[in-house]
Amino acid sequence: DAGVTQSPTHLIKTRGQQVTLRCSPKSGHDTVSWYQQALGQGPQFIFQYYEEEERQRGNFPDRFSGHQFPNYSSELNVNALLLGDSALYLCASSLLGDDPYEQYFGPGTRLTVT
Amino acid sequence: GNSVTQMEGPVTLSEEAFLTINCTYTATGYPSLFWYVQYPGEGLQLLLKATKADDKGSNKGFEATYRKETTSFHLEKGSVQVSDSAVYFCALSHAGTGNQFYFGTGTSLTVIP
Repeated sequence: DAGVTQSPTHLIKTRGQQVTLRCSPKSGHDTVSWYQQALGQGPQFIFQYYEEEERQRGNFPDRFSGHQFPNYSSELNVNALLLGDSALYLCASSLLGDDPYEQYFGPGTRLTVT
Repeated sequence: GNSVTQMEGPVTLSEEAFLTINCTYTATGYPSLFWYVQYPGEGLQLLLKATKADDKGSNKGFEATYRKETTSFHLEKGSVQVSDSAVYFCALSHAGTGNQFYFGTGTSLTVIP
C-alpha cells in the first residue's frame, strides 16, 4: 500500500515565476491538506481539499491556490513567487470521517526561490 | 484560538539518557493531540496520539499523556538511542477547526553515543 507521494522532490524557481506541486494521497483517503514548513519552523496549514472543493484555508494569500482531482490527487499552485516562499511543502492525506482523525504526511517538496 | 507551544531546543543527550520534551496547548473544545517525528530530509511521521483526557499514547518506547488540567502533552522516553535523533513536533486538531492541524515549532534532539 503506497503512502502519500509528492512530486517533484526538489524545485528551484526564480522570483515572479509560478510553480505547481503534486500530491497523491494514501490509498483509501479522500482529503488532502497542504502545509508550508519554513526552515526551523513547524508546518503551517495552507488549505484542505475534499470532494474537489477547498474546504478550509489558513492564513495564506490568494497567490496560493489548489485543486483536487476526481481520483483525490491534488495540486498546489503558487503564483508570483517570492523569496519568502522558499520552504518545504508537505501534503497530508486523511479520511474525513475517520475517528480518531489522523493525517499521513508525504516526504515533501523542497522549493527554493532565487 | 488554537496553538501549541513546545520547549525550545536543541536538546543533546547521551545514549540511554531520559528524554522529556514539553508541550502545552491552547484550544477551544477538546482536541486530539499528536507527536510527529521528522528525520533529516524526510516528511513527518506520526509517533503517537491521544484523543481524550488522561489517554496515554505510546510507540517505540515513547509515551505522552493527555493532561487536560495542565493542558499538556509532554513526550518522554526512558532510554534514548542514537537513532532517535530527529526533530519532534507536537500538534493538535479537532473537529471544531475542521480537523486542521496546529503544530509547535519543533524540538531538535541529538543523541550522542
